[in-house]
Amino acid sequence: QVQLQESGPGLLRPSETLSLTCTVSGGSVSDYHWGWVRQPAGKGLEWIGRIYANGNTNYTPHPSLKGRVSVSVDTSRNQFSLNLKSLTAADTAMYYCARVSASDTLDHWGPGTLVTVSS
Amino acid sequence: DIVMTQSPDSLAVSLGERATINCKSSQSVLYSPKNKNYLAWYQQKPGQPPKLIISWASTRESGVPDRFSGSGSGTDFTLTISSLRAEDVAVYYCQQHYTTSWTFGQGTKVEIK
Repeated sequence: QVQLQESGPGLLRPSETLSLTCTVSGGSVSDYHWGWVRQPAGKGLEWIGRIYANGNTNYTPHPSLKGRVSVSVDTSRNQFSLNLKSLTAADTAMYYCARVSASDTLDHWGPGTLVTVSS
Repeated sequence: DIVMTQSPDSLAVSLGERATINCKSSQSVLYSPKNKNYLAWYQQKPGQPPKLIISWASTRESGVPDRFSGSGSGTDFTLTISSLRAEDVAVYYCQQHYTTSWTFGQGTKVEIK
């Protein structure tokens, strides 16, 4: 059974860059597409972006994130990563990594990692 | 972007009663060549990540109890819990994956009356 685990800094300052890693176990990162979703406390889910098995990427066009996101894969470590630059307090949220299933849905999720942006 | 709008924002249902959640998309998510609706439902319990419960608008995921059912096509969809149990207390989200820019509904909180 595939398992995902997010890791990264919990506290960053405004204008810094967030780097999160999702470690995949029980399966190969090369065999699926992968995605990132975030959720501010007490609010709904926001899709951030995904990386396909061939390395292509696709990001949300939402103004809150547009142009600040990049996702990459490290097959040697069986991980994929999220970079989010020019952070503001509005980026404070729980960040989830997830696997994209054959039905193009998010069928396995990590437990999430809380990121706080504060000076 | 396709905007997904759920109703109601919250509902309280007695144990054993039916819970119905609606989801409306701003444009059709039915891909006619495959006759598939690119619409999924997720359940999120407090302190947990979301869990996929229904894909293709009406296909239950493995292990999901049959009291959960999804229906609808095009722009209007429904998630029904036929007989609410205490463990069904959660927030439910619909999500479209018809376009490459995925979007979620705002969520519907289901509580016990």
